[in-house]
Amino acid sequence: QSALTQPASVSGSPGQSITISCTGTSSDVGGYNYVSWYQQHPGKAPKLMIYDVTNRPSGVSNRFSGSKSGNTASLTISGLQAEDEADYYCSSYSSSSRVFGGGTKLTVL
Amino acid sequence: QVQLQESGPGLVKPSETLSLSCTVSGYSISSGYYWGWIRQPPGKGLEWIGSMYHSGSTFYNPSLKSRVTISLDTSKNQFSLKLTSVTAADTAVYYCARDVPAAPAFDYWGQGTLVTVSS
Repeated sequence: QSALTQPASVSGSPGQSITISCTGTSSDVGGYNYVSWYQQHPGKAPKLMIYDVTNRPSGVSNRFSGSKSGNTASLTISGLQAEDEADYYCSSYSSSSRVFGGGTKLTVL
Repeated sequence: QVQLQESGPGLVKPSETLSLSCTVSGYSISSGYYWGWIRQPPGKGLEWIGSMYHSGSTFYNPSLKSRVTISLDTSKNQFSLKLTSVTAADTAVYYCARDVPAAPAFDYWGQGTLVTVSS
């Protein structure tokens, strides 16, 4: 069970859009529509932002959206705001297990 | 409002057993959902440890399976983690979370507790 692959860092200016990728295999990301995304600010617990690839929990801004193509899932944040600066983690179901990505640090310039 | 709170020793000696509890409020753990543990070594990413369904079935990270036990105490509305034979590599912030079986995803998290393995 290997960790999913995410870029170490991405950056964008306020108002711009950014996309974070999450690459797995046909045994996890590609095999199920069970990808979730988490936002984590320093010293805080992760917060669920996207589940089932595209769904947003109640209360999460519609600036956050998810998608998937083959073995790669993506999180897009539109209209970047300063408060979006955080670490982002993807996760996928994998044969009764859950696997996380290595995390991506988003910097808002 | 569902809330989770971890508790347990912040320091564990190498080769001993790490034991943590998670107290849930605002939801009865016997009513459904999985209940899971996730850890995060200092400065590193998240690692799923395992999850337990309210009926008793458990699922563990294959890399930790031989050392991990998750159990429920419905009378106290708590669930627990035991990790045996710990080493410095087990030093991490440990989070408990509610695991949505239909998703699966962790929708409610505890604040996390730092456990340091050191003599």
